[in-house]
Amino acid sequence: EDKVVQSPLSLVVHEGDTVTLNCSYEVTNFRSLLWYKQEKKAPTFLFMLTSSGIEKKSGRLSSILDKKELFSILNITATQTGDSAIYLCAVQYAGNNRKLIWGLGTSLAVNP
Amino acid sequence: EPEVTQTPSHQVTQMGQEVILRCVPISNHLYFYWYRQILGQKVEFLVSFYNNEISEKSEIFDDQFSVERPDGSNFTLKIRSTKLEDSAMYFCASRWQVNQPQHFGDGTRLSIL
Repeated sequence: EDKVVQSPLSLVVHEGDTVTLNCSYEVTNFRSLLWYKQEKKAPTFLFMLTSSGIEKKSGRLSSILDKKELFSILNITATQTGDSAIYLCAVQYAGNNRKLIWGLGTSLAVNP
Repeated sequence: EPEVTQTPSHQVTQMGQEVILRCVPISNHLYFYWYRQILGQKVEFLVSFYNNEISEKSEIFDDQFSVERPDGSNFTLKIRSTKLEDSAMYFCASRWQVNQPQHFGDGTRLSIL
């Protein structure tokens, strides 16, 4: 059965710390891996990774995909309290439908 | 920035009643989705919709569920004869093209009493 597993499930850090969130997957018909940030409501899109080894960056956030070892990491440097959220990893299937299969998420709390 | 909007934000319904959850996808998007998240569990795919028809549905999406795009803007999920286990957050998503990410609405929290 296809699955996406995220670790850790929760994390508490202090402002300024660097965090690494993990996402491993076993999915047939893989197309891409996506990271979303969920604060109170809608998951908001962060990154979509399709190719192995190419880092994507957006400010203090970066992510990379390893298609051989079937995992991705999301790094957040110099964390701020506004980074507190649930970070969701999802794998997108190939084909026109491109439905998503999700991990349980990592709940990140950044304390001042 | 354009966004997906969902109404209502919270719906409370008696078991056995029908509910309609509404979504307005981003205007130039072509692919539409419904997902649900039961409290404490993973987000689950329900159905995808393209070119005015269902393109894929999960085993959760049984005869109790239906989707419609009644006009050029709305995308609805109907649940007939609701059950207690239908209580969940329902997310609508849309995307423009095959290689673009899905964008999500804020969700409708459905509570079945």
